[in-house]
Amino acid sequence: AQRVTQPEKLLSVFKGAPVELKCNYSYSGSPELFWYVQYSRQRLQLLLRHISRESIKGFTADLNKGETSFHLKKPFAQEEDSAMYYCALMIDNYGQNFVFGPGTRLSVLP
Amino acid sequence: GAGVSQTPSNKVTEKGKYVELRCDPISGHTALYWYRQSLGQGPEFLIYFQGTGAADDSGLPNDRFFAVRPEGSVSTLKIQRTERGDSAVYLCASSLGQGSNEQFFGPGTRLTVL
Repeated sequence: AQRVTQPEKLLSVFKGAPVELKCNYSYSGSPELFWYVQYSRQRLQLLLRHISRESIKGFTADLNKGETSFHLKKPFAQEEDSAMYYCALMIDNYGQNFVFGPGTRLSVLP
Repeated sequence: GAGVSQTPSNKVTEKGKYVELRCDPISGHTALYWYRQSLGQGPEFLIYFQGTGAADDSGLPNDRFFAVRPEGSVSTLKIQRTERGDSAVYLCASSLGQGSNEQFFGPGTRLTVL
């Protein structure tokens, strides 16, 4: 069965420190992965997707098919990065079905 | 342009009652998704529409849940004989479809079943 895991419910780092939010997936097909972010009192929004290979707000994520991982990284965390982060896997059966991980709350301390 | 809107923002009902939750997607978005998010969990896929048709309803938990999108725009999620376990935030998202997979989420409807 398709599954997305995010092992950390809460991750606290100090401002300026590197941050890595872990995401692992299980899927027998060709995966398409996303990171979504939800800032306080805002809607869930797309942060980045692996196919575009972008860096958004200083965040990057590389798909590692061997380790079935899609970890989110930023070299220098900022206080405004504090939010809930969800990793999501798109399953393209006959539709577009997305599986979300449970989320990690990132807290960047001053 | 307004984003995805959902009404009501909060709904409190009694066990056994029927509820309808509405989603207005972004104009021109052909794809529409419903998710359910319980406390401490990520969004759980319920159903996906491409235009008027439900292209994937594999996430609907049972036959008490039903969703429609009769004109390919507004969608209604209908829950019959509500149970306390149905309490959650129900999220709607839309996307352009046609190969664009970026979903734009609404603010959600918080459903509480007493």
